[in-house]
Amino acid sequence: RKEVEQDPGPFNVPEGATVAFNCTYSNSASQSFFWYRQDCRKEPKLLMSVYSSGNEDGRFTAQLNRASQYISLLIRDSKLSDSATYLCVVNSMDSNYQLIWGAGTKLIIKP
Amino acid sequence: DVKVTQSSRYLVKRTGEKVFLECVQDMDHENMFWYRQDPGLGLRLIYFSYDVKMKEKGDIPEGYSVSREKKERFSLILESASTNQTSMYLCASSPPDRAPFFGQGTRLTVV
Repeated sequence: RKEVEQDPGPFNVPEGATVAFNCTYSNSASQSFFWYRQDCRKEPKLLMSVYSSGNEDGRFTAQLNRASQYISLLIRDSKLSDSATYLCVVNSMDSNYQLIWGAGTKLIIKP
Repeated sequence: DVKVTQSSRYLVKRTGEKVFLECVQDMDHENMFWYRQDPGLGLRLIYFSYDVKMKEKGDIPEGYSVSREKKERFSLILESASTNQTSMYLCASSPPDRAPFFGQGTRLTVV
């Protein structure tokens, strides 16, 4: 089993819809979780850190479910500009410096 | 804003050449990372450094070396480039236990 798993997609979603995707992780002791966004042929950019209590930033909501070992990202009122690949990141308990990256979920927002 | 700058966006090198990829960050971050990203595989860590002159191997260090003589600069060296090192190379920096910020990436083609 991969340490961090994501559905590769693509998720094809009409503009204005709500979309959610999950990311599962294997190490129950992991403490830090992040969502990044990556546009085609560009570098990943930090979208949100994920906190135990869940957190919201505008149209984006991130949740952590420790019992089932997954994090989720919800996008409301999706925009064409939300089309990107979303990467899930979890810290490695083997090293304080290493992060384990999911391969990403591709999201395509259609007009 | 954090700025991580990689020396080249695109690079074409011949098999057997020694290749230097340079990365500079301006936020006095302790941690610096080199990743490569290939389609369907996600980000894979090559090397990271948590202090000047300190380096640790990541998941795929074979064929690569690094140098960190100054805090702001982290160099990746391909000792003898091979075609299987054709990839997108991403440099990142972060404070301890925080999400990393990425440079714009270097798309390296080895012919």
